[in-house]
Amino acid sequence: DAKTTQPPSMDCAEGRAANLPCNHSTISGNEYVYWYRQIHSQGPQYIIHGLKNNETNEMASLIITEDRKSSTLILPHATLRDTAVYYCIVKATGGGNKLTFGTGTQLKVEL
Amino acid sequence: GAVVSQHPSWVICKSGTSVKIECRSLDFQATTMFWYRQFPKQSLMLMATSNEGSKATYEQGVEKDKFLINHASLTLSTLTVTSAHPEDSSFYICSANQGPYNSPLHFGNGTRLTVT
Repeated sequence: DAKTTQPPSMDCAEGRAANLPCNHSTISGNEYVYWYRQIHSQGPQYIIHGLKNNETNEMASLIITEDRKSSTLILPHATLRDTAVYYCIVKATGGGNKLTFGTGTQLKVEL
Repeated sequence: GAVVSQHPSWVICKSGTSVKIECRSLDFQATTMFWYRQFPKQSLMLMATSNEGSKATYEQGVEKDKFLINHASLTLSTLTVTSAHPEDSSFYICSANQGPYNSPLHFGNGTRLTVT
């Protein structure tokens, strides 16, 4: 599976959009981009995933560049409860469903 | 949505004893479940893949005789930490996949193990 690079930490004001970047320059054609988050002392929570088209659900939007080498997770109106570590994971369709977690981005939402 | 339940949420045991952690998929069947371990301020590390009706597949460096995994039904996998020592103190998290290859994994809320 392709390696991802994320900034170690980011801050965001409550009510503003949080834009979390992820670089996956070695991604291959059959690899999906997944985003999870982990609130302190809880299990990871699935947010969204995509292959090449932009995706949106009730939690967030995922913007994938045309060359698929990077993506951005957007939380449109961040709240204090969105403070968590956000993981961007690239996973191939073969080889089972196991996920390999990197170090992620610690997002801190402040008043 | 799919729910994965872990029990217990926390446990304290004495060094040398064994501890069993349960992972259940509450509203779906899971032929495969995954066990992760997370030390403080670190990311999740995959320990093993639990396969219903067959032996688990362990990641490199994980002792299969110390971390016993049983996946006897499509909704239950158990992880037993045998002869636990203080260095086994960690946050153990299981996950399961509900659907096809690209569907997301659902995670339990983890078990905090403290070995004294």
